[in-house]
Amino acid sequence: KAGVTQTPRYLIKTRGQQVTLSCSPISGHRSVSWYQQTPGQGLQFLFEYFSETQRNKGNFPGRFSGRQFSNSRSEMNVSTLELGDSALYLCASSPDRGGSGELFFGEGSRLTVL
Amino acid sequence: GENVEQHPSTLSVQEGDSAVIKCTYSDSASNYFPWYKQELGKGPQLIIDIRSNVGEKKDQRIAVTLNKTAKHFSLHITETQPEDSAVYFCAASSMNTGFQKLVFGTGTRLLVSP
Repeated sequence: KAGVTQTPRYLIKTRGQQVTLSCSPISGHRSVSWYQQTPGQGLQFLFEYFSETQRNKGNFPGRFSGRQFSNSRSEMNVSTLELGDSALYLCASSPDRGGSGELFFGEGSRLTVL
Repeated sequence: GENVEQHPSTLSVQEGDSAVIKCTYSDSASNYFPWYKQELGKGPQLIIDIRSNVGEKKDQRIAVTLNKTAKHFSLHITETQPEDSAVYFCAASSMNTGFQKLVFGTGTRLLVSP
């Protein structure tokens, strides 16, 4: 079974630009969560989507948004990029059945904002 | 909101020794406590988890203990091996807010020397 796939793996943007990151969950997984990982703030929850609906949200500004498609694939978008948005963005999927807690993480998209 | 503290930030042991990583949480509503291992260039991977109705759980060389009264939980790795070298994260979440919304500790870098 293929794991969680994130694209692109690396990207460089400049301040003020916007970026879209993509995540393909494990086949059959309906929940997709996004996390931001930085050396200073660690791993922080951005949002979670289930059946094309945002089910949960972290404490990030409105510049951070996401969506989920009918095939469970998800995208997140960051607009008006700031230097502090430089981070590893991790996507995780879960089957969301029976209360199972395991999140399956992808390898992440490393964003550098110059 | 929930806050998870993790200690130590770095831990160096000799191969064959035991390693213990400790975490505390603040929200008494938290009832799910996973531990993730992150190797260089990869996303975090679940190694063990525990729910609040259980005090201890073991899986081969890895064990987790939970003290709900003190809001402490710990990861124990016995007979450490060089391949155990990685960054370990504890986390907490509540079934009320959704187990996908994890609050992570700041991580422990474990180095196992041969």
